[in-house]
Amino acid sequence: GAGVSQSPSNKVTEKGKDVELRCDPISGHTALYWYRQSLGQGLEFLIYFQGNSAPDKSGLPSDRFSAERTGGSVSTLTIQRTQQEDSAVYLCASSLQGAYGPAPYEQYFGPGTRLTVT
Amino acid sequence: RKEVEQDPGPFNVPEGATVAFNCTYSNSASQSFFWYRQDCRKEPKLLMSVYSSGNEDGRFTAQLNRASQYISLLIRDSKLSDSATYLCVVKGNFNKFYFGSGTKLNVKP
Repeated sequence: GAGVSQSPSNKVTEKGKDVELRCDPISGHTALYWYRQSLGQGLEFLIYFQGNSAPDKSGLPSDRFSAERTGGSVSTLTIQRTQQEDSAVYLCASSLQGAYGPAPYEQYFGPGTRLTVT
Repeated sequence: RKEVEQDPGPFNVPEGATVAFNCTYSNSASQSFFWYRQDCRKEPKLLMSVYSSGNEDGRFTAQLNRASQYISLLIRDSKLSDSATYLCVVKGNFNKFYFGSGTKLNVKP
C-alpha cells in the first residue's frame, strides 16, 4: 500500500518568509509525528497527534512553529518568519498506535522535506 | 543525560564479519524498543522491533536487557548493503519516542 508522503521534497526560502510543509500519513494510522533532523544529527521530536486528542506540542522549538491535522489525516507544519537555524530535514511519521494489533507503536517515515533558509 | 545514547562509530568491518551495537536508555519504565536504519540522505526505515525475549530476523538479532537498560543489535555475515546508520529508538511516557543519534556502520569489501 501507499506509504507516508510529504511535500514538497525540497524547499528553499528566504529568511523571514513563512513555509508550509505537508504530510499524508498511511491510511488508517491514527498517530502522526513530526521530527526534524539537522545535518549529521539525530531526530528531534517536534509534535505528536493521536486521533482526536489534543496534540503534544512539547517539542516545538518556538512559537514560530505550529502544526495542525485536519480530519485525522493530513497534517501541515507551518514555520513563520523562518530563520537560518530552521534549515533541516523535516520528517513525518505515522503509526497504527492506539489500534489493536501486534505492533501498534512502529512508526513509518515519509521521505522528508529538506528546508533551506537563505 | 540523554534519553537514548549510542556509540556514533563508525564501525568499519569487512564483508562477512559479525558486528554488534549497543544502545542505553535512561527511563526504566520504557516498554517498547526499536532499531531503524537510515541511509545517507534518506528517511529512517524500521529494521526490527525489540521484544523482551529477544528476536531474530535473518542475519539480524535484537536483544533487550532491562536490568542494565540497554538494547543490542547483532548483524551476522555483514553485507556491503548493510552499510548505513543504525538508530536506536525507545518509547517513553505519553507515547513520546526518543531516537539515538545513530551508529554508523561501514562494511568494506
